[in-house]
Amino acid sequence: AQSVSQHNHHVILSEAASLELGCNYSYGGTVNLFWYVQYPGQHLQLLLKYFSGDPLVKGIKGFEAEFIKSKFSFNLRKPSVQWSDTAEYFCAVTRKTSYDKVIFGPGTSLSVIP
Amino acid sequence: EAGVTQSPTHLIKTRGQQATLRCSPISGHTSVYWYQQALGLGLQFLLWYDEGEERNRGNFPPRFSGRQFPNYSSELNVNALELEDSALYLCASSSDQGAFTGELFFGEGSRLTVL
Repeated sequence: AQSVSQHNHHVILSEAASLELGCNYSYGGTVNLFWYVQYPGQHLQLLLKYFSGDPLVKGIKGFEAEFIKSKFSFNLRKPSVQWSDTAEYFCAVTRKTSYDKVIFGPGTSLSVIP
Repeated sequence: EAGVTQSPTHLIKTRGQQATLRCSPISGHTSVYWYQQALGLGLQFLLWYDEGEERNRGNFPPRFSGRQFPNYSSELNVNALELEDSALYLCASSSDQGAFTGELFFGEGSRLTVL
């Protein structure tokens, strides 16, 4: 069955620390990949996306993610986190076919300590 | 431009009752998705409507149903409510303009509490 896993359930970092959140998927064929973020009290919003081309994609607020096809991974990174990055982060995957559902990972809760 | 809107924001029901949740997509978006976000379980895919048709369905019992109206708004119905149906129900819309991408725009959600 198609699935998305995220390596960490809860991550706690101090400000200025580097961040890497792991995401792996089990899907056949080519995929589109996403990271969404849910800040406290706000709705889910797109952080970045990968459809094709350069496997290193950059998103909003200094986030980037790298697609490694051989590892079925799409890890999220940020070199220096801020308190305002405290949020829930979700990895999501869908196959490049029409009318396929978008599957989300279980989420990683990030807490940044000032 | 208005985003995805959902109503009601909160809904309290008792076991066995029915709940109806509503969603209006972003103007111009024809696809509506429903997800259940229960505590500690992430987002579970429920239903996907496009152009009035059900395109895909998640692994939920038939008492979860919905429909999409000609104006592309959608409603989710949950019959015979059970305690474990308590969750945040998220609606998302997308406009793939002929090329499916899976990029979703989410609403604030409807919090359903079953007592």
